[in-house]
Amino acid sequence: GQQVMQIPQYQHVQEGEDFTTYCNSSTTLSNIQWYKQRPGGHPVFLIQLVKSGEVKKQKRLTFQFGEAKKNSSLHITATQTTDVGTYFCANFVSGGGNKLTFGTGTQLKVEL
Amino acid sequence: DSGVTQTPKHLITATGQRVTLRCSPRSGDLSVYWYQQSLDQGLQFLIQYYNGEERAKGNILERFSAQQFPDLHSELNLSSLELGDSALYFCASSPGAGNQPQHFGDGTRLSIL
Repeated sequence: GQQVMQIPQYQHVQEGEDFTTYCNSSTTLSNIQWYKQRPGGHPVFLIQLVKSGEVKKQKRLTFQFGEAKKNSSLHITATQTTDVGTYFCANFVSGGGNKLTFGTGTQLKVEL
Repeated sequence: DSGVTQTPKHLITATGQRVTLRCSPRSGDLSVYWYQQSLDQGLQFLIQYYNGEERAKGNILERFSAQQFPDLHSELNLSSLELGDSALYFCASSPGAGNQPQHFGDGTRLSIL
């Protein structure tokens, strides 16, 4: 089935630096969702991308879906300590129902 | 607060035992999903129910089973527990059965001794 690889696995940044995490697939994705999980918390839905080349922004967060719908990225501008957590991309795999398959996640740490 | 309620928050038991995890979805949501999160396996989809019926199945072990009741709450039953079943179990819900955002509960942390 479709497997989404997410990189990097870990990222340490200084507060104010930018951060980007990438999801890559060997096959075309129908859509992609992004979730954030704070330490000790549960995944929280951030956004869903459906269209080829789609770009969506949420304040300092920019989400992109590749033209070929095989990759996606999440970019955070000027990180803050509140951005700490693990960011997951996820996609629905059809066949026998819609199964949400999560990437391995990127753990972000922000240092003052 | 996501509106999804999971009980209990923590569960400690021994190998070979059986436990039941409970989930109440957000008001109005018909789909319930179960996930297992462990350090080595990440976040794994187990099973989905929609309006009382099984809708999708992931890599759920035969020792595990789930159901969704008429009031839409769901239970995940784990039996013949093994050390490797120690993990965080999340329930999520969504309004429909398709490609929609999912809202997660706080999870049940299961520890097998």
